[in-house]
Formats: sequence, structure tokens, C-alpha cells
Amino acid sequence: NIVLTQSPATLSVTPGESVSLSCRASQSISTSIHWYQQKSNESPRLLIKYASQSISGIPSRFSGSGSGTDFTLSINRVESEDFSIYYCQQSYSSLYTFGAGTKLELK
Amino acid sequence: EVQLVESGGGLVQPGASLKLSCVASGFTFSDYWMSWVRQTPGKTMEWIGDIKYDGSYTNYVPSLKNRFTISRDNAKSTLYLQMSNVRSEDTATYYCTRVNSGYYFDYWGQGVMVTVSS
Repeated sequence: NIVLTQSPATLSVTPGESVSLSCRASQSISTSIHWYQQKSNESPRLLIKYASQSISGIPSRFSGSGSGTDFTLSINRVESEDFSIYYCQQSYSSLYTFGAGTKLELK
Repeated sequence: EVQLVESGGGLVQPGASLKLSCVASGFTFSDYWMSWVRQTPGKTMEWIGDIKYDGSYTNYVPSLKNRFTISRDNAKSTLYLQMSNVRSEDTATYYCTRVNSGYYFDYWGQGVMVTVSS
């Protein structure tokens, strides 16, 4: 299984700050990483596909980067609605796996 | 508008069986692979498995392969998850997801809770 390690587990920020969330794969997975946002009591929603490709309807402050084993989700100037849990998921292997998530919370 | 609506969850005793359903609408169900993903109370996400658009192939996480079965009825636009010999560690919210051809989950249902307890 491909293990995804997300860091930090929790990130405390104030609105207006810009942040970077990390996802590291246990082996090289090219750009086969996808990011999801899960707000409290809601279902996850797709934010970024294939490491850096944008999704229709997602605010432009969300961006992704990386390849190989190291990936980053960046949020430019966090807004109050962004406080959520963020998960990465790999599709390099047909046995899909998720990271443990990073909780973005209000400082 | 794509909608995925799960049902069939609830409280179930250890060792029992349970079948979850997911009714899809807003897209041509038979064109897409579908998948089940679960989230534990501790927020851990686990992919359970998926099924090819015509139902001819399924793929599972090895740890659940012997107890969980995914099936579909394209005439009813419905996805199923048959759970057998359930254990306390199966307690989770179960999500039905559409698998985009790029192998990511582009739509999620609202989730259905399953609690395994005596």
C-alpha cells in the first residue's frame, strides 16, 4: 500500500494568512494526488486533481503543487469558510489511499 | 445536478449483515465506475472498493475483501454495499462516490452512519 503522510495534523491560523499543507507519499506517485476539503458535518468535496489541476467552482486561492513524493496544497489568504479538514488521496495504485488529514483551525 | 443518496445504515449487532444502497441521479450512472469510502469516528478516511461501470469488475482493499461486496443495478441507478460479519471497527460513516475517469472522487453522497454495537 502507498502510505500518505500529511503534516501538520493541525494548523492554527488567522484569516488573511496564507498557508501550505503537506502530503508526502511513501513512494513516487508522479502527480497522481488529489485534494479534498471537508467542512464540519459535510461530505468531502474535490479541490484539486492531479497535484495542481484546478476544479471548476473552487476558489482560485486554492492551488496545488508537487510531483514524485512531495505535494503541497496552498491557500492564499485564508477565509473563514476555509476552516476545515483537508485530505490528500493517491490514485497511482489501484488500491486508493488517503492521508490522515490536516485540520485547519482558527487561531 | 449530480446527486448521490445513501440509505440503509443504522445500529447493527456484531456478526450481523447489512446492505447499504446509493441512488444516483443527474448523470448517466452506467457510464461511471462507482466507489464506497468510509470515515471512522476519528475522521480516518478509508477507500473500501469500486465497481466498473457495467458491474463486470470489482476491486477492494484487501482487509475488507472477504466481508464486503459491492454491486450495482444500472437499470435502477443504484449502487450497493453488502457488509457481512460486521465488527465494531466497521463503525463509520459510509460514502457513495462517483469515480471520475481520472481515478478521483468527483462527487460524494451525504453519507450514511453505521454503528456496530451489542
